[in-house]
Amino acid sequence: GAVVSQHPSRVICKSGTSVKIECRSLDFQATTMFWYRQFPKQSLMLMATSNEGSKATYEQGVEKDKFLINHASLTLSTLTVTSAHPEDSSFYICSARRSNTGELFFGEGSRLTVL
Amino acid sequence: SQQGEEDPQALSIQEGENATMNCSYKTSINNLQWYRQNSGRGLVHLILIRSNEREKHSGRLRVTLDTSKKSSSLLITASRAADTASYFCATARNSGNTPLVFGKGTRLSVIA
Repeated sequence: GAVVSQHPSRVICKSGTSVKIECRSLDFQATTMFWYRQFPKQSLMLMATSNEGSKATYEQGVEKDKFLINHASLTLSTLTVTSAHPEDSSFYICSARRSNTGELFFGEGSRLTVL
Repeated sequence: SQQGEEDPQALSIQEGENATMNCSYKTSINNLQWYRQNSGRGLVHLILIRSNEREKHSGRLRVTLDTSKKSSSLLITASRAADTASYFCATARNSGNTPLVFGKGTRLSVIA
């Protein structure tokens, strides 16, 4: 089956640093990927839609300068949390839409802890 | 933005009992999906029901959809301790390139 890989699965960083999370579709092309954030015991909140070769579309209330998204190829989207603060600590999950079928596949998530 | 609500928010049952979770949504949809998430893990897709379908089965899972009430239910029969997880409904507004929007989820605990 189609696999979406996220890396790193866990990351701890100091406040003020930037952290990059990768979302890769391993055996299919994904023109569109989506980034979600999930706080403990809460649901997934859509952050942005990542489109290959163009700018990401951010949801209301999500700072595009804070959460930089780059979708430079059909198999890779990256989310960079810039100048991270403890309140950015969360579980970040990506999903990739398979270009030829439209099916959505989710990554295993990346847990960010900002100290 | 959140599409809707699940209820109950938390459910605790004995092994062998049935678990029913409900989901309501706000806008018109193309399909509704149910996902499971173990604590701290990624999502596992359980079942998809299209807007023109009313009921769907998959193993011990039964999903209903009532588009007039904008609601869906997920029934897990003969629950097992391994069914303990959070369950989310998610809706897609159309069949195009729109993202899934998730409900708030139900935390199910199945006690052995």
